[in-house]
Amino acid sequence: DIPLTQSPSSLSASVGDRVSITCRASRGIATYLNWYQHKRGKAPKLLIYAASNLQSGVPSRFSGSGSGTEFTLTISGLQPEDFGTYYCQQSFTTQYTFGQGTQLEIK
Amino acid sequence: QVQLQESGPGLVKPSGTLSLTCSVSGASSTSYYWSWIRQPPGRGLEWIGYVFHTGATNHNSFLGNRVTISLDASKGQFSLRLTSVTAADTAIYFCATSTPTPSRHFDSWGQGILVSVSS
Repeated sequence: DIPLTQSPSSLSASVGDRVSITCRASRGIATYLNWYQHKRGKAPKLLIYAASNLQSGVPSRFSGSGSGTEFTLTISGLQPEDFGTYYCQQSFTTQYTFGQGTQLEIK
Repeated sequence: QVQLQESGPGLVKPSGTLSLTCSVSGASSTSYYWSWIRQPPGRGLEWIGYVFHTGATNHNSFLGNRVTISLDASKGQFSLRLTSVTAADTAIYFCATSTPTPSRHFDSWGQGILVSVSS
C-alpha cells in the first residue's frame, strides 16, 4: 500500500488567485499520479494524468507537476466553478490509493 | 464519451450482501479496466477493485475475500458483490473506467449511488 498525503486539507481563495495543492507519496511512484475534481452529487472528473498531462476538455488553467514522492496541482486564475474537493491518486502499484482530499472554497 | 450509471438497492441489512450493477454506454472498445470506487460519509475516495475485459480481477486487499467484481460485456454491464457488510460499508459507490495505459487513470465515472447498511 502507498499512502498519499495531501496538503492543505482545505483552503479558501478568491477568483483570479493562483492555488497549489501538494500530494506526497510514502515512497517513489515515478509519475504514476493522477488528479481529480469532485463536486458533491456529481461524478468525479479527471483533470491531470501521469503527473502533468492535461485531460482533454479540461481548462488550461489546471496544471500538474512533480515526480517521485512530491506532486503539485496548480490552478492559475481561479474561477467560481473551481470549488469542490480535489484528490490525487497513485497507480504505481495495482493497489490504487487516493489522497484524503483537499476542499477548495471560493471566497 | 463513455457514460456509466450505477443501480441497485440503497439499503442493505448488516451481514447481508451488497450487489450493484454499472451500465455502460458509448464505449468504443471493451478493452478497459472496469472499476468500483466508494466514498464513506465524511471521508475520501477508496478504490474497491476492477475487472479487466479479459475477466481478470484485482481488488483492494483491505476488503479481503468479501468482494467479487464481474463483467457481462454482452449486456454492457459490470457488477460488484460485497458480502458480510457492516455499517462501515455505508458509502456512495461509483463505477469508473480506465483505459489500459500506464497511468491507468479513471477517465469516466458514474454519478454514484448511496448504499446504507442498516437494520
